Amino acid sequence: AQSVSQHNHHVILSEAASLELGCNYSYGGTVNLFWYVQYPGQHLQLLLKYFSGDPLVKGIKGFEAEFIKSKFSFNLRKPSVQWSDTAEYFCAVNAKAAGNKLTFGGGTRVLVKP
Amino acid sequence: EAGVTQFPSHSVIEKGQTVTLRCDPISGHDNLYWYRRVMGKEIKFLLHFVKESKQDESGMPNNRFLAERTGGTYSTLKVQPAELEDSGVYFCASSQGGLARFEQYFGPGTRLTVT
Repeated sequence: AQSVSQHNHHVILSEAASLELGCNYSYGGTVNLFWYVQYPGQHLQLLLKYFSGDPLVKGIKGFEAEFIKSKFSFNLRKPSVQWSDTAEYFCAVNAKAAGNKLTFGGGTRVLVKP
Repeated sequence: EAGVTQFPSHSVIEKGQTVTLRCDPISGHDNLYWYRRVMGKEIKFLLHFVKESKQDESGMPNNRFLAERTGGTYSTLKVQPAELEDSGVYFCASSQGGLARFEQYFGPGTRLTVT
């Protein structure tokens, strides 16, 4: 069965610092990759997605992610965070051979101090 | 356009009782999904409807859980009888068909507490 691993459970950083959240998955076939974000008191929102093509994907709010197939990774980055980026971030994988379902990582809580 | 809505937002019930959760997907979305997050764990897939048909129910934990989507619109998830380990946040999501089927839009979730 496929699994998704997010390396950090909690990250604390100051405004303007750079952010990188790791995500690795275990599945050898073709995948679609996603990052979702849940801001405090809000529902899960899609931050960015990768289906095919350029492995460097740009999403909303200045976020980007890079798919490295050889490393089974899809790390999320933002060069300069803001206080409003405080949220929980989830990496998710869809294995194309397994229908539409998403397999999520455990989530990373990010706290940005003003 | 209205997003995915879920009702209730919170539910507190005693062990052995029955609870029914409701999800209204985005209008026109044929695909509807249920997920669950038990505290401290990852969000886990429960099942997937395409219109009124169950496409994949591989994530349903046991036969105490029953999901329906009569008429292919809203869906309900019933837990009967509830157990302590059923506590968690139940998310519903929906997506369009075709190439957009992988892009799922999530509702706010229902927080279920079984005491």
